[in-house]
This record gives sequence, C-alpha cells and structure tokens, in this order.
Amino acid sequence: EPEVTQTPSHQVTQMGQEVILRCVPISNHLYFYWYRQILGQKVEFLVSFYNNEISEKSEIFDDQFSVERPDGSNFTLKIRSTKLEDSAMYFCASNNPDRGLGYGYTFGSGTRLTVV
Amino acid sequence: GDSVTQMEGPVTLSEEACLTINCTYTATGYPSLFWYVQYPGEGLQLLLKATKADDKGSNKGFEATYRKETTSFHLEKGSVQVSDSAVYFCALSGSNFGNEKLTFGTGTRLTIIP
Repeated sequence: EPEVTQTPSHQVTQMGQEVILRCVPISNHLYFYWYRQILGQKVEFLVSFYNNEISEKSEIFDDQFSVERPDGSNFTLKIRSTKLEDSAMYFCASNNPDRGLGYGYTFGSGTRLTVV
Repeated sequence: GDSVTQMEGPVTLSEEACLTINCTYTATGYPSLFWYVQYPGEGLQLLLKATKADDKGSNKGFEATYRKETTSFHLEKGSVQVSDSAVYFCALSGSNFGNEKLTFGTGTRLTIIP
C-alpha cells in the first residue's frame, strides 16, 4: 500500500526560528495538502497545492507559511518565524481525484512540532 | 462556511457493546461526508464515505448514512472490539472536484475495554 511519508516525526524548535516540515506524497498523486491539529482541537486545513502552485489556502496560512515542491517528490511546509501557538501536529496528504472523491486521499503520520 | 459538529469524547465502552458517534454538518451545496480513523501513532485513514443523500457508507462493521434532512452522518457499529480503540473524525468535502479540502470535526476518542 503506497504511503505518504513525513519527516521528522517530532521537531522541537525555539520561538522565532524557521522550520521546514517535509513530506513525500504518493508518486502518482496530483494534489497535495497540509493540515494541522493543535492538541485537543480539530484538524484544520492549511493549504492545497496543484500544478506547482497554491490552489487554496485558509486564513491560518498567513505570510509566515510557505509551501514548495522543490524536486518533484518532496512537498515542504516552511514556517519562517515560529510562534508558541504554532505548536501542533502537522499532517501532509495527497490524492489523485481520478479515483473518485475520498478514495486515494492519503494522510501521512504527521509531524509533531513543539515551539519552546 | 462549512462546519462539522461531532460528539464530544472520550467514549469508553465494553467489548461487544453498540456504538454511536454523532456527527452533524453545515455546508452549502452537496458535500461528501467521511469518517476517518486514527490509530495510535498512525495517520488518518479513511474508514467510510457517502457522496449523496441516503447513501450508506460501510467498512469493518461500521456504518453511517448520509441524512440530508437532519444534516447528519452518525457512525454506528453493532458490536465493538478492543481493536476499534482509536480517534474517529467526521469530515466533509465540498463539491469542488479535484481540490478536496476537508473540514473536520474535533474527533472522538473511543476506548474499548475487554
């Protein structure tokens, strides 16, 4: 079964530092997503990415966030200057809509980001 | 905007008990509805889905029926097992085919005791 791989599984960073969260989506998927879940709260959509550009982004995805697909396999989320409130679990996902709504929509195991 | 309201947890049941986790939604148009499950240390996995009114999604003994009149998609299972212990998320997707942004509920942690 193909997987979406996220690294690292856990990252601790100091407030104000830049972090890059990495994801390797499933190879034949076309759409890529980042979600986050603050501890005890709901999973929230951050951004979707298609054809090397952002398709949609949420209000959370402000100027401190950026996404990139640098080499055709990795999909990264960068947070430029981390804040305490960025501490959360970040999930990457990818899908190929040719398989139908919902099918093939695969999530990674997540990166737990802790800002201290 | 779209939203999903999910039954508060945690929920603890004995093995072989009946399970219902309530989920209601608010959305424009005709969303697709999903239940995702997250086992400890793992990612979110699609459990079942329904794409139109009166559809019933089912998988691994779990069922949920898309009720447009009550805007609900409650998850049910007749006899739970210890292996069903996980966090369950109700979610919806708008009808924008291709860009399937998901809107999630808060999740319900289910613990089954032997």
